Amino acid sequence: DADVTQTPRNRITKTGKRIMLECSQTKGHDRMYWYRQDPGLGLQLIYYSFDVKDINKGEISDGYSVSRQAQAKFSLSLESAIPNQTALYFCATSDSRDGAGELFFGEGSRLTVL
Amino acid sequence: GENVEQHPSTLSVQEGDSAVIKCTYSDSASNYFPWYKQELGKRPQLIIDIRSNVGEKKDQRIAVTLNKTAKHFSLHITETQPEDSAVYFCAAGDNDYKLSFGAGTTVTVRA
Repeated sequence: DADVTQTPRNRITKTGKRIMLECSQTKGHDRMYWYRQDPGLGLQLIYYSFDVKDINKGEISDGYSVSRQAQAKFSLSLESAIPNQTALYFCATSDSRDGAGELFFGEGSRLTVL
Repeated sequence: GENVEQHPSTLSVQEGDSAVIKCTYSDSASNYFPWYKQELGKRPQLIIDIRSNVGEKKDQRIAVTLNKTAKHFSLHITETQPEDSAVYFCAAGDNDYKLSFGAGTTVTVRA
């Protein structure tokens, strides 16, 4: 089945370390997103990319960077992790041919920064 | 930017009863309003959506209503079942498809 895959699924790290979360998709979608989920705050958009050459900041991009290596791959980096970046991170995709259409989420990457 | 408020934050209902979740949004340019369901430990999944040219949409036991004048939309679940227990998120977005999500409602269906 076409899917959205995130690695790692769980990661514990220390303050100041560089962390990369990776996302790959086999759906053939052109649009990819990174969201952060915190209890009581819903899903907040970090970065989004509408194609390989297009990268846009979301609501909470400070402290994060992204790379769209190919249409199917979109990675999120924390250059110097801090404890308040402890959260559940979701990658998502959508198909621009669907207009304002459905987001397909990965299974999530739980990050703990000590 | 868009601001979406969602109420209530938690909702407990008896099996078979109805559940209603309400959201308000701030940006009049928003024209797409999806609802996502997230079961415990799972990824969010779309359950229903509505666009601004429609006032109501139904899919079996779930329905969504939209009032563009008042900038609010609601999710209605009828004849609730244990498998309806989950966190539900509303969202609002514009043509560029940048969704803003509500904070979520944890629904518990009591047997």
